[in-house]
Amino acid sequence: DGGITQSPKYLFRKEGQNVTLSCEQNLNHDAMYWYRQDPGQGLRLIYYSQIVNDFQKGDIAEGYSVSREKKESFPLTVTSAQKNPTAFYLCASAVRDRDGYTFGSGTRLTVV
Amino acid sequence: QKEVEQNSGPLSVPEGAIASLNCTYSDRVSQSFFWYRQYSGKSPELIMSIYSNGDKEDGRFTAQLNKASQYVSLLIRDSQPSDSATYLCAVNRNPGNQFYFGTGTSLTVIP
Repeated sequence: DGGITQSPKYLFRKEGQNVTLSCEQNLNHDAMYWYRQDPGQGLRLIYYSQIVNDFQKGDIAEGYSVSREKKESFPLTVTSAQKNPTAFYLCASAVRDRDGYTFGSGTRLTVV
Repeated sequence: QKEVEQNSGPLSVPEGAIASLNCTYSDRVSQSFFWYRQYSGKSPELIMSIYSNGDKEDGRFTAQLNKASQYVSLLIRDSQPSDSATYLCAVNRNPGNQFYFGTGTSLTVIP
């Protein structure tokens, strides 16, 4: 079945540690996105990529980094520079604007 | 001004009633409009898309778009307890394929 796989489902980060969230899709979608969701704030765009080896910052990119070396994969690294990383992280992909996003199941990151 | 605005609710309706969810957007060049349903602790799932003025019906769901008023709504007929969720409005404008989401409206259907 085609879809987007995010892993892990739950992730715990210690202070000062970098962690990487995985996002893999087998939908052959060109565009991929990372969003962060906090209670009462909706979805906020972190980074997005329209094609391989190219990506753009979203509204809240500080403290995050991404790579897009393969069409299927768009990992997100939460660095120690992100001071408040506890949130629900959602990866999404799309073919073109009219089709809407397909979301992964999300990763819940908690700082311990 | 936010790109997309929704009443956060909560909105409560009795089972079998019509639930009406509303959304306004700020950019007149917006082209595509979407409604997502999100259950607590889960990721959003697409339930409706609409691109032209007027109504679009899919089962118990009807999306309505009025570009002149920059307004999009979702009606849920014969509401069921399983419809209890947060509903997110999303808007897309070219270029960039970037979506803008509202903060969501929480809906509770009371049995």
